[in-house]
Formats: sequence, structure tokens, C-alpha cells
Amino acid sequence: QVQLVESGGGVVQPGTSLRLSCAASGFTFRSHGMHWVRQAPGKGLEWVAVIWYDGSNKYYADSVQGRFTISRDNAKNTLSLQMNSLRAEDTAMYYCARWGDSKILDTWGQGTMVTVSS
Amino acid sequence: DIVMTQTPLSSPVTLGQPASISCRSSQSLVHSDGNTYLSWLQQRPGQPPRLLIYKISNRFSGVPDRFSGSGAGTDFTLKISRVEAEDVGVYYCTQATQFPWTFGQGTKVEIK
Repeated sequence: QVQLVESGGGVVQPGTSLRLSCAASGFTFRSHGMHWVRQAPGKGLEWVAVIWYDGSNKYYADSVQGRFTISRDNAKNTLSLQMNSLRAEDTAMYYCARWGDSKILDTWGQGTMVTVSS
Repeated sequence: DIVMTQTPLSSPVTLGQPASISCRSSQSLVHSDGNTYLSWLQQRPGQPPRLLIYKISNRFSGVPDRFSGSGAGTDFTLKISRVEAEDVGVYYCTQATQFPWTFGQGTKVEIK
């Protein structure tokens, strides 16, 4: 079945870096754009970044532009999010989600928690 | 950025009764291709979000028919015809007409 599994979260200090991964299975990964969406504790959803199916285009939320980089390895069915210069406000559960037909987020992973604290 | 505003933010409902959530966008969600990319997501407690409705009124695979969506332009509604216990959670509208994709604040549906 279609599955997304995030990993790489943890507790880090402000100003440091962290790399999240999302392992995809059960579908043709190279045919789908992919997104990262985050959710701060007790808060709503915030779209973070998107990458086209072939990596040709990427867009970011203003809040992470210049600090986060989305990438993918279609040979390894893996999506990544490199997060630099982390801030306390980046503390959140990070979800990867598949970009389905009709501009939908049709499959979500279980998420990986990132806590930025001194 | 397109701002999505949901009302109410909390909706206590009696089991078996209907529930309705409104979502208003700060600008039209009609895309240049003629489609309106407004979706609804459900997030049950402790779970990731799940797609319910896409392009205003299309139920996603496996979604019960008690869920329905309607609206046009900037005003949209999600209706649950008869609330069941498994419907408890937070519901989000989201637009994918333009980047950045944005979400409403969420509406918490709970049982009275």
C-alpha cells in the first residue's frame, strides 16, 4: 500500500541544523511531487515546501525561505528536508505528503517531531 | 498569500445530528485552468491529516457519503449529515490554487 515514513527528528539547539527524510513505498515515487507540512504543538497546519516530481521546481514558505532546502532522490524513493539555522518557532511535527492529481495532498506520513530548544 | 478563515472554530454536536463548517478565502480560488482547488482535511486526535474532499465537492477514496462539500469562488462549506463518534477531530480547509498553499485555522468537532 502507499506509505510515507518520516525520520530524522529530534531535539536540537537554536542555530543548528537537522535533516529530515521521508521514505516512500507502494507507488511510483518519481511520478509525484512531494510536500512538507508542519504543525506546531497544539496549533494548525503550515505548508513548508514542495518539490516537483523530477526536482525541477521548488517552492518554500516565507518563514523557511533561505534556511530550509527540499530535495529528493528518485532512485532511492526518498524525500529530504535540510533545515539550517533552526529557531524555536520551527518546533513542530513535520509531515511529508504526496501531491496527487487535482492538486491534492492525498497521502500523509505519520510525522517526525522536531524540537528546537536551548 | 491567500488567507483561509474558518467558522466556527469549535463545534459541539450531538451524535446523529448534522454539522457544518464554513471556510472563506481572502481571494477567489478559481485557478486559471478553471478549477477551484479547495480541499478539506480531517485530523483525528493523535493522527496525521487525512484528505476528505477535493475540488470543492469531490469525496476522496473511502470517505463516507455523510461528508459533502459545496461552495464557489471564496465561500465554501463542509457538511457532515449525521455525526458519528469517529468524526471527532479537527477539520481544515486548504487551498492549492496558488503557492504558498494555505490552511484554515481548523475547526474542532466534538460530541456534546
